[in-house]
Amino acid sequence: AAGVIQSPRHLIKEKRETATLKCYPIPRHDTVYWYQQGPGQDPQFLISFYEKMQSDKGSIPDRFSAQQFSDYHSELNMSSLELGDSALYFCASSLERQDYGYTFGSGTRLTVV
Amino acid sequence: KQEVTQIPAALSVPEGENLVLNCSFTDSAIYNLQWFRQDPGKGLTSLLLIQSSQREQTSGRLNASLDKSSGRSTLYIAASQPGDSATYLCAVRFFLMYSGGGADGLTFGKGTHLIIQP
Repeated sequence: AAGVIQSPRHLIKEKRETATLKCYPIPRHDTVYWYQQGPGQDPQFLISFYEKMQSDKGSIPDRFSAQQFSDYHSELNMSSLELGDSALYFCASSLERQDYGYTFGSGTRLTVV
Repeated sequence: KQEVTQIPAALSVPEGENLVLNCSFTDSAIYNLQWFRQDPGKGLTSLLLIQSSQREQTSGRLNASLDKSSGRSTLYIAASQPGDSATYLCAVRFFLMYSGGGADGLTFGKGTHLIIQP
């Protein structure tokens, strides 16, 4: 079965640079979520999209933005990167039905140096 | 604030033992609860999904229970094996109360780091 695809798997950036992470949800899933997991931390909800519209925001910094495109893939854009942005970034997809579970991608490991 | 707590934070047991991981949540208004496994530096693998109307779910050696009224869930692992060593995360899909959006996020516990000794 198709899973949630994230790219790239690893990314190294310098401070103040920008980064773009991509997520391809499971086909026919209408909802995408982004999470950030710092070293030794639990995943923190950043932002979500339902049917290509932003639907909820969590602890996403103003330096970050995200969007979902017509083919349902999503991109997380991160600007003015800081050392503290180094983390695993996960994308998950689901159906907006409340009885549905989430499927997570393998994540993108971002290292800011 | 809607929070999820997992106890214990870490657990080390000999191979073959049965064990229980605990998860508690502060608000009984939930859609569902999901248990995940995470290996170091890897993604989240869904183990079991329990709807708010259900009491338990089983998959192989894993059994998860849900007591929504008391805000608790347990993950039971039978006949543990070294390959079960990982971090186990409990995540709750709460009713959205303070956001105007239509797609609510999961709230995670901090996980239980499990080591099964050969």
